[in-house]
Order: sequence, then C-alpha cells, then structure tokens
Amino acid sequence: QVQLQQWGAGLLKPSETLSLTCAVYGGSFSGYYWSWIRQPPGKGLEWIGEINHSGSTNYNPSLKSRVTISVDTSKNQFSLKLSSVTAADTAVYYCARGRYCSGGSCYFPGGWRSPYYMDVWGKGTTVTVSS
Amino acid sequence: SSELTQDPAVSVALGQTVRITCQGDSLRSYYASWYQQKPGQAPVLVIYGKNNRPSGIPDRFSGSSSGNTASLTITGAQAEDEADYYCNSRDSSGNHYVVFGGGTKLTVL
Repeated sequence: QVQLQQWGAGLLKPSETLSLTCAVYGGSFSGYYWSWIRQPPGKGLEWIGEINHSGSTNYNPSLKSRVTISVDTSKNQFSLKLSSVTAADTAVYYCARGRYCSGGSCYFPGGWRSPYYMDVWGKGTTVTVSS
Repeated sequence: SSELTQDPAVSVALGQTVRITCQGDSLRSYYASWYQQKPGQAPVLVIYGKNNRPSGIPDRFSGSSSGNTASLTITGAQAEDEADYYCNSRDSSGNHYVVFGGGTKLTVL
C-alpha cells in the first residue's frame, strides 16, 4: 500500500522560503503526477503544482513566480519550495499522488479525456508564517 | 476556464439522498473526481472517472455527469458522511492545471 510521508519546517518568518519534502513508500514513483496542495485555515483546497518522475512540472499560475517543485527519483521523494512567504501562505500543505485512469475500470466515451484523480494523500504539514 | 463551482453548504436528513454538484467548463471534457474531508484530516478520494469508487468507499456514494455539471450522490446518508466535499479535475484549456472546487459542507440532520 502506497504511503506518502511529508515533513518540513512548520514556522516561518515573512520573506523566508518554505521548504517541504514528501517521500513515497510502497509503490512505483514513475507513471504518476506528484502534487502539492494547500489549505488555509477554514478555507478550501488550492493546488500548488506537480511534477512527474522525469522532472516535468506544472504550476498554479497564481503561485508560479514563487514555486519550485523538484524530484529525487533515487530516494522516491519530491519537494516544494515557496519563496518570499507572507501570512497569506499560512496553511496546511499536503502532498498527493495524481494519476489518469487506465485499465478495465475506466470508461470515457469519445470526446472525453482519461479521468484524472488524486488517490493517495499525505497527512499534511501545518505551516505558519508569522513575525 | 479553470474554475469549478460548488454550493457552499448542503444538508440532508439521516437516511435520505443528497446530491452535491460541481460546475465548470473543464467538466465537459474531464469527469470530476470527488474527495471527502473530515475536520483535521487529509482529503480522501471517494469517486473518480465516470462512476468509480476506490476500495473501501461505501456503495452509497455515486457519481454522474451531464454537460458542464458533475454530481456526487449519497444514497441513504449516514451521520459519518458529514464532511466537506471537493470536486477536482484537470483544466481542459491546454494549460495543464489542476483545479478544485470551493468545497461543499454537508450536514447530516
């Protein structure tokens, strides 16, 4: 059973760089999209960005200028860096595995694209930005 | 468009059926996936694809889609179904984004 274990600094000062890492245990690292998602207190989920095993990335355009996601395939880990943090970056940060549906359980008629979903999530890391 | 819209709150009587909806242009191309989140916990996938449930998800959860609207239906809602529910898909405009709906708070009365 695949598990994601995440860690990183939980308290930052404004202008510092947030740094989190997520390790993948019990499953393949290739063939998936490895995402970071955050949730500010009392608010909804916000996708930050993703990386695949070959290092190809996609980022939320609202955060793109401050975000770097990297991968270390030798350790089955991927990492998030968010620069110049402010109080608005205070949130619970999750890592998750994203994938496209394949195989016999999938059905998508002509005109539809292969379904995308996130089936494994880390437990979350609370990051607080405060002076 | 990269937005998914959900009603902020929905309520249902114990044992009754409730539908939670999600609207967005990307849902004309992608089936939504649905996540349940209880307080203090990480989201859990409950529906993906046309109407697929991961192992361990009760069969009272089902999904459907029509036009730009995806729906999560809970048939015979239980007290433990009270949670926040989020829809999710990829953006269909070629920008390779992932988008979440704003979430729906489900209250079981």
